[in-house]
Amino acid sequence: KNEVEQSPQNLTAQEGEFITINCSYSVGISALHWLQQHPGGGIVSLFMLSSGKKKHGRLIATINIQEKHSSLHITASHPRDSAVYICAVSLDTDKLIFGTGTRLQVFP
Amino acid sequence: EAQVTQNPRYLITVTGKKLTVTCSQNMNHEYMSWYRQDPGLGLRQIYYSMNVEVTDKGDVPEGYKVSRKEKRNFPLILESPSPNQTSLYFCASSSGMEYNEQFFGPGTRLTVL
Repeated sequence: KNEVEQSPQNLTAQEGEFITINCSYSVGISALHWLQQHPGGGIVSLFMLSSGKKKHGRLIATINIQEKHSSLHITASHPRDSAVYICAVSLDTDKLIFGTGTRLQVFP
Repeated sequence: EAQVTQNPRYLITVTGKKLTVTCSQNMNHEYMSWYRQDPGLGLRQIYYSMNVEVTDKGDVPEGYKVSRKEKRNFPLILESPSPNQTSLYFCASSSGMEYNEQFFGPGTRLTVL
């Protein structure tokens, strides 16, 4: 069993829909990261969380430390949001463990 | 502009021919790391470095070497590449590991024939 699990693996949405991507982990962590990988391959850091909730534009990330679960929400989705979204956790041992990603396609 | 650069971006080579992928960051970051990304497996850490002359193995270090002689540079060395090292490689840096944003390079697509 992977230490970081994401769901769904693939997600298709119509423009304007509210999107949720989930991440569950089984290890003790110091922080959780949400990353975006564009079709060209580049990776951008969206959020880093150790508790609570963060918001940036149409993106919202939440984390529940007790339940070992995080969600990434996209409000009013747009075709340019199409990408792979990756959850990663930082361990106390200074390592990052990644989920396998959620491929999102938003159609006009 | 704050960035992490990698070279080359694409490389096709043959088994056994030593190669180096360079990584450089201009943000004075202490922490640097190398990852490989394979379909269905996601990103996996190869090596990381907490500072100059301080490196440690990640989850998949076999077949790779690194060095950190200067703070800005963290090259990845494949002494004798094999086809199972065909992958997409990313270098990343941050000002610290636990609570800081990771900045990724553009990636290097390596094919070993």
